[in-house]
Amino acid sequence: GQNIDQPTEMTATEGAIVQINCTYQTSGFNGLFWYQQHAGEAPTFLSYNVLDGLEEKGRFSSFLSRSKGYSYLLLKELQMKDSASYLCAVKAGNYQLIWGAGTKLIIKP
Amino acid sequence: TAGITQAPTSQILAAGRSMTLRCTQDMRHNAMYWYRQDLGLGLRLIHYSNTAGTTGKGEVPDGYSVSRANTDDFPLTLASAVPSQTSVYFCASSGGTSGGNEQFFGPGTRLTVL
Repeated sequence: GQNIDQPTEMTATEGAIVQINCTYQTSGFNGLFWYQQHAGEAPTFLSYNVLDGLEEKGRFSSFLSRSKGYSYLLLKELQMKDSASYLCAVKAGNYQLIWGAGTKLIIKP
Repeated sequence: TAGITQAPTSQILAAGRSMTLRCTQDMRHNAMYWYRQDLGLGLRLIHYSNTAGTTGKGEVPDGYSVSRANTDDFPLTLASAVPSQTSVYFCASSGGTSGGNEQFFGPGTRLTVL
């Protein structure tokens, strides 16, 4: 079957660094996406990885290991506005994204 | 640029009634998608369309139908609503289905079926 696992909830402190993990088991792999979703809002795109390694984009970085079926999203210099859910999604075929349930990140002052 | 718009924002619907959720994008994207999002579950794909004139079934298509008469519009119809269709519905679009074409999401429709 198709499965994506990520922690349900994490808590971190403003100014710190947090790593959100995502493991996946899918029938195919054409890339992995990370999205951010604030409460009551739509998901917005953060990053895309298709090759192994680290992709850095400002305060956010995303890592992929295809052999391990593993990715993480790294958030640095946390700000209160980073409080949101972070969704991991795998493109298993040509069109369909398989979505994890999301990790709710709570930032404390 | 509006991006993707959805209507209505929210709706309370009696079980057994029909309803169409509207979705319009102005980015000239070929691919469009309908998802539902329920608490504790990931986004689940209901139907998709790779290009105008074609549609396909996603993970949870039962009870829903779609059409794609043109590039911009992708309405989702519930023929006879049931309480289990209470959810938040997101429409999304992408420039294509290959590679890293990210999906852009509309603001969502919150539907309650009583």
